[in-house]
Amino acid sequence: RKEVEQDPGPFNVPEGATVAFNCTYSNSASQSFFWYRQDCRKEPKLLMSVYSSGNEDGRFTAQLNRASQYISLLIRDSKLSDSATYLCVVNAPGNTPLVFGKGTRLSVIA
Amino acid sequence: GAVVSQHPSRVICKSGTSVKIECRSLDFQATTMFWYRQFPKQSLMLMATSNEGSKATYEQGVEKDKFLINHASLTLSTLTVTSAHPEDSSFYICSASTGGAGYGYTFGSGTRLTVV
Repeated sequence: RKEVEQDPGPFNVPEGATVAFNCTYSNSASQSFFWYRQDCRKEPKLLMSVYSSGNEDGRFTAQLNRASQYISLLIRDSKLSDSATYLCVVNAPGNTPLVFGKGTRLSVIA
Repeated sequence: GAVVSQHPSRVICKSGTSVKIECRSLDFQATTMFWYRQFPKQSLMLMATSNEGSKATYEQGVEKDKFLINHASLTLSTLTVTSAHPEDSSFYICSASTGGAGYGYTFGSGTRLTVV
């Protein structure tokens, strides 16, 4: 079983749509959770951290369910500029490497 | 914010030659450097972890004699792909950690290696 698994995608949605991505992780010791965005042939960039209480940043809402080891990302009112690959990332305690999911590709269409 | 400068951004080399990739932390001390590679449509896979002044720790399946990592200072880490082959063609990216509270991670901009 892979450490971090995501929806395979791709997701092709019209502008203005709401889209949700899901992710599960296998390491119950994971302590930090993130969503990263990666544009084609670029380095990943932190989109937002994910907390148990849920957190929102503008059109983006992230949720964490530790019991189910499940993470989600909701994007409302999709923009063309949201087109990218979204990576679910987890981190164990300490100075340990980030573990990446395979990513889910989103294409927002005009 | 913290910046990691990675170069070259792109390199094409002949099979059998060696390529060195540098990652330099510009305004902070990178206690730890993580090296990843990403094949097309795949996730970033950790290759090795290096701590300044220590030998790198390699992930299973990554040949330490082929991928030489040097982390001699707190601001510079290098990855040398020795005797490169076409199957080594990939996107290589470093991620620096300060090792401090929050363990912030800063990524380099990546190196796209093509071995012909």
